[in-house]
Amino acid sequence: QQKVQQSPESLSVPEGGMASLNCTSSDRNFQYFWWYRQHSGEGPKALMSIFSDGDKKEGRFTAHLNKASLHVSLHIRDSQPSDSALYFCAARVQGGSAKLIFGEGTKLTVSS
Amino acid sequence: GGIITQTPKFLIGQEGQKLTLKCQQNFNHDTMYWYRQDSGKGLRLIYYSITENDLQKGDLSEGYDASREKKSSFSLTVTSAQKNEMAVFLCASRLGGRTGQLYFGEGSKLTVL
Repeated sequence: QQKVQQSPESLSVPEGGMASLNCTSSDRNFQYFWWYRQHSGEGPKALMSIFSDGDKKEGRFTAHLNKASLHVSLHIRDSQPSDSALYFCAARVQGGSAKLIFGEGTKLTVSS
Repeated sequence: GGIITQTPKFLIGQEGQKLTLKCQQNFNHDTMYWYRQDSGKGLRLIYYSITENDLQKGDLSEGYDASREKKSSFSLTVTSAQKNEMAVFLCASRLGGRTGQLYFGEGSKLTVL
C-alpha cells in the first residue's frame, strides 16, 4: 500500500520561531507533493505545492523536495499563533492516476 | 471562486443503518473525492471519481458505496453503520491534470449510537 509518513506527530514552537515539518513517501513513483493546512472545525486548504527537486519559497513558507531520498519538508519562518493547525503532506503518483494520498499529519502549536 | 457544500453537516444514525452523505461543487471540476478523518488524524481515501458516472476505489472502500450521477455532485453511502465509524467525512474536488490542488468542503460529522 502506498504511504506517506509525517514527523513529528506534534510540534510546539514559540511565536516568531521556525517550525520544520517532515514527510517521507514509500513509493518512488510519487512525483507531485502538496502541503495542506487544516484549522480546527474546517476542511483542509492547500498551502503550497512542490514538484521539482530543491526549494520553493512562498512568503514565510519554504518547501523542500528531494526525490532521491523520497523526502519533502516544510519550514515556517516567523511562526504566528494563527499558524497553529494540523499540517498534511499529500502525494500523487506520476501518470494518469488521480489518486492522492495524505499523511497522518503534524499538529503545530505556536505559543504567544 | 467556487464552493463545496456537504450535507448534512452532522448526521446521527443507529448501528446497522444505511446512511448517505451528499456533496455538491460549483467549481466545474472533473474529479471528486471522499476522505474519512478520524478524530484529528490523517485523511484516508474512500472513493474518487474522475468524471460523471466513474467510480474508483480508495484504500478504505469496504463498507461504503458511492455515486456520481452528475459532474457537480458526489454521494457517499455507509452501507451498515458501525460504532467505530464515528468520523468526519470530507469531500473534495480538483480540476483534471497533473498538478491541480484539492478544494475541500467543511466536512460531515457522523455519530453512530
